[in-house]
Amino acid sequence: GPKVLQIPSHQIIDMGQMVTLNCDPVSNHLYFYWYKQILGQQMEFLVNFYNGKVMEKSKLFKDQFSVERPDGSYFTLKIQPTALEDSAVYFCASSLQGRDSDYTFGSGTRLLVI
Amino acid sequence: GDSVTQTEGPVTLSEGTSLTVNCSYETKQYPTLFWYVQYPGEGPQLLFKVPKANEKGSNRGFEATYNKEATSFHLQKASVQESDSAVYYCALSGGGSNAKLTFGKGTKLSVKS
Repeated sequence: GPKVLQIPSHQIIDMGQMVTLNCDPVSNHLYFYWYKQILGQQMEFLVNFYNGKVMEKSKLFKDQFSVERPDGSYFTLKIQPTALEDSAVYFCASSLQGRDSDYTFGSGTRLLVI
Repeated sequence: GDSVTQTEGPVTLSEGTSLTVNCSYETKQYPTLFWYVQYPGEGPQLLFKVPKANEKGSNRGFEATYNKEATSFHLQKASVQESDSAVYYCALSGGGSNAKLTFGKGTKLSVKS
């Protein structure tokens, strides 16, 4: 079936530096999401994005986080500056619609902040 | 806000035995309910979803009924296989055109041959 591609699969970065996580969503999908999963724990919603705008964000979506999707390119999550507690697996997802839709997840980017 | 509570794992079963993973939810809206499965190193994959109360969803021998009165959506399978070993997430989409998925904490299932 259609896939969501996440690049890179792994990233190690020094605390305080900037990191950009890239997501190539399913081609006809309109809604985009980022989730955070600390090792062995729950999938936690960060943000969703539609029509060029953030629709909803959680308390985990700190001021250091930002998302964008310039026309036809990746849906990105940028963290600037990074902190140790940002170490986690970040999953991108996309859906054709919002509610009731099938959400397709990528395989995640494993981010380690040292 | 929305919340999902499910059986705490890990759960270890022998092949051929039955599985029940309990899931209960809280929301003020009219949710669509989902079961997702996650294998090591991968993102969650949709197992099935049920958008309407009192209906059942099923896939690959797994099934769950959307019980609005009990606010439950328990996952069941009559006979598990070793290949069913994974983490199972109950989730809900609470409403609105841009609704997010709210996940439970996940239940890790290990099936021994």
